[in-house]
Amino acid sequence: GQNIDQPTEMTATEGAIVQINCTYQTSGFNGLFWYQQHAGEAPTFLSYNVLDGLEEKGRFSSFLSRSKGYSYLLLKELQMKDSASYLCAVNDYKLSFGAGTTVTVRA
Amino acid sequence: EAQVTQNPRYLITVTGKKLTVTCSQNMNHEYMSWYRQDPGLGLRQIYYSMNVEVTDKGDVPEGYKVSRKEKRNFPLILESPSPNQTSLYFCASSLTGNSPLHFGNGTRLTVT
Repeated sequence: GQNIDQPTEMTATEGAIVQINCTYQTSGFNGLFWYQQHAGEAPTFLSYNVLDGLEEKGRFSSFLSRSKGYSYLLLKELQMKDSASYLCAVNDYKLSFGAGTTVTVRA
Repeated sequence: EAQVTQNPRYLITVTGKKLTVTCSQNMNHEYMSWYRQDPGLGLRQIYYSMNVEVTDKGDVPEGYKVSRKEKRNFPLILESPSPNQTSLYFCASSLTGNSPLHFGNGTRLTVT
């Protein structure tokens, strides 16, 4: 089975940086995904890590350490539109999602 | 436009009345999957399909059926819906089982 943990809620100020952590315990590992989900909408793909290290995509970066079962999503220069839930998903032999972290960006 | 289309968006029904939620993708994806999303529980996989005529149970398959007769379609069937199946349902597809998922817009189902 899989156990995927991420914080329930985080609040940050516009223009700041927020780091969302995800820890996992799985029997195997074939990759880790991050998705963004605005309230009432479908999740959309943000990033994918399969090897250790940092993947950067504009204001968003994702880091993976397979030996520690740990990943984080870094959101820089926060904007109001970044207020959303962020879902960590791990693929061992199948894909499982964490419960999601709701990020609120305040002016 | 590349998309996953699921219908209906909203559905209110009564206990025991069979229903089908349709899902179709136009990206020629091999992998398709159904999820339900409940507050505090996140997305939980109901069924998935690696290819035509190949389906497998996810984490919460009880009370649901699926079929994959064509590559583009993956309907979700509730033979006898119960109130505990009230939820937000998402269909998703991807090129392979390890590729980013494309989600449909969701179906909010209420069973009374």
